[in-house]
Amino acid sequence: AQSVAQPEDQVNVAEGNPLTVKCTYSVSGNPYLFWYVQYPNRGLQFLLKYITGDNLVKGSYGFEAEFNKSQTSFHLKKPSALVSDSALYFCAVSSGNTGKLIFGQGTTLQVKP
Amino acid sequence: GAVVSQHPSWVICKSGTSVKIECRSLDFQATTMFWYRQFPKQSLMLMATSNEGSKATYEQGVEKDKFLINHASLTLSTLTVTSAHPEDSSFYICSASKYRRETEAFFGQGTRLTVV
Repeated sequence: AQSVAQPEDQVNVAEGNPLTVKCTYSVSGNPYLFWYVQYPNRGLQFLLKYITGDNLVKGSYGFEAEFNKSQTSFHLKKPSALVSDSALYFCAVSSGNTGKLIFGQGTTLQVKP
Repeated sequence: GAVVSQHPSWVICKSGTSVKIECRSLDFQATTMFWYRQFPKQSLMLMATSNEGSKATYEQGVEKDKFLINHASLTLSTLTVTSAHPEDSSFYICSASKYRRETEAFFGQGTRLTVV
């Protein structure tokens, strides 16, 4: 069975500092991995995905993620956090051929001025 | 990216009544749409996969007679919560993708349902 784990319920970081939101996965076969962000009372916005190719994936709003096959991880990163980055972040893996997503439990990112 | 529109954004209904939520893909055809339920500060729980022209596939534990899903066209799926109860109050989110697992899904803005 495919699964995704986000070990941190919340990550706190000061504005301007780098941030990392962790994600590990368990899949059979090649993983298709995604990061989404959710602001309060809104749907999810796509940030980036890893399908194949370079392990470092660049996405929206200055975010990037590093795919590490040996550690089965796909951590989300940003060199310099903004207060406006404060939101709920979800890591997800694509399951089957229908595009169904399996989500991690989510990590709340709090960026303080 | 593609646009998925969900309507209404919020709804309050009385216990025992039914509520319909619409999910539309505005600029692409979505053979498959997904319906999720989200509790406060929790992850998304997949309720069902909506397939155009066929019956929806429900996840284990989701009552198909209570949560009716219709995918009448390639751009519209509806979720009807029948005989709503206060415990059905939640945030419901739909998504659509272009039917390939490597393609990112696009999400509606969600519907906040409150049953009183």
